[in-house]
Amino acid sequence: AQSVTQLGSHVSVSEGALVLLRCNYSSSVPPYLFWYVQYPNQGLQLLLKYTSAATLVKGINGFEAEFKKSETSFHLTKPSAHMRDAAEYFCAVSVPSGGYQKVTFGTGTKLQVIP
Amino acid sequence: ETGVTQSPTHLIKTRGQQVTLRCSSQSGHNTVSWYQQALGQGPQFIFQYYREEENGRGNFPPRFSGLQFPNYSSELNVNALELDDSALYLCASSLLAGAYEQYFGPGTRLTVT
Repeated sequence: AQSVTQLGSHVSVSEGALVLLRCNYSSSVPPYLFWYVQYPNQGLQLLLKYTSAATLVKGINGFEAEFKKSETSFHLTKPSAHMRDAAEYFCAVSVPSGGYQKVTFGTGTKLQVIP
Repeated sequence: ETGVTQSPTHLIKTRGQQVTLRCSSQSGHNTVSWYQQALGQGPQFIFQYYREEENGRGNFPPRFSGLQFPNYSSELNVNALELDDSALYLCASSLLAGAYEQYFGPGTRLTVT
């Protein structure tokens, strides 16, 4: 069985500061990993994905994440926070399970950006 | 290329009633998954349909059922609604093969009173 743990349900950063959102996963097989962003009253938008190619993955809006197998982590970073980055972020793991890809989401981290 | 759409946007139902939520998948996608997202939680997998057959299910009771149509649109049906069914219901379409990148619709907010 796979699982995702997002450390910190709320993270606050100042505008222009580094954003670091933490995600640790558990999986018995090599997983696909994803970060999604959700703005209020909207669905989820894919930020980036890891699919066993490069361990450093670049996504949209200046975000990137690094897959570290030894630490079972896939933390999301952005060098400089912008007000528009305020949203909720979800990490997800996807593994094959009896003929389909089972996707498990973390509980989310709400990012607050302070002017 | 159109994205994933869902209807209705909001819905209020009474405990014990039945509800049908609808989803139109992104063009070219043959797989649809449904998720329940309770307030303050991450999405929970309900089930997945591939070529009109259910091929995966999460930990949800049988009163949650679905259909996928030949044009890859789909429905989520919930019978005997309970107060705990109040949530945002998300539909996501994808191609079964490959990196399994999912594209989400905006969701349907269901309130059960």
